[in-house]
Amino acid sequence: DIVMTQTPLSSPVTLGQPASISCRSSQSLVHSGGNTYLSWLQQRPGQPPRLLIYKISNRFSGVPDRFSGSGAGTDFTLKISRVEAEDVGVYYCMQTTQFPYTFGQGTKLEIK
Amino acid sequence: EVQVLESGGGLVQPGGSLRLSCAASGFTFSSYVMSWVRQPPGKGLEWVSGISGGGDTTSYADSVKGRFIISRDNSKNTLYLQMSSLRAEDTAVYYCVKASSVWGQGTTVTVSS
Repeated sequence: DIVMTQTPLSSPVTLGQPASISCRSSQSLVHSGGNTYLSWLQQRPGQPPRLLIYKISNRFSGVPDRFSGSGAGTDFTLKISRVEAEDVGVYYCMQTTQFPYTFGQGTKLEIK
Repeated sequence: EVQVLESGGGLVQPGGSLRLSCAASGFTFSSYVMSWVRQPPGKGLEWVSGISGGGDTTSYADSVKGRFIISRDNSKNTLYLQMSSLRAEDTAVYYCVKASSVWGQGTTVTVSS
């Protein structure tokens, strides 16, 4: 199984400042078809998860452009250019390149 | 509107069984891998099981292998999860997920005597 490791697990951030979360996979997430199926999810308190980014760097419908994804192979990053109060929650990376799908442990974003 | 809606959760005794359903709408259901993901109280997300669009390929987390069965009825746009030999550690909110993009509100399963 592919193990997904996120850092940090907790990220206190000042409003208006940037934030960055890393995700590393135990093996390459490049699918045989050439795509890399690495997604980033946001889970606000009391809500189900919501897709932010798919295939490393594509913003899902309705996601603000302050969210961006980058990376390749086994190393990936989610960046928030300027954190807003509504960004508080837990962020997960998820690989859907191969079964079984797997998640990172989650990174809790909180406001300082 | 693309959406999925879970049902079938509830309270069940250890060793019991339960079947979850997920009604999908707004997209071509048979074209997508569908998964069940769970979240125990206060914990992170755990992928439980997935099934290919045609239903010919399935996969399970080790924690549920041999106890849970995933299936789908593409004529009814519905995904299922048959859960048996339930344990306290299966207590969680169970989400139905289209690929990684569409998540339901979840249905709660509580295993307790």
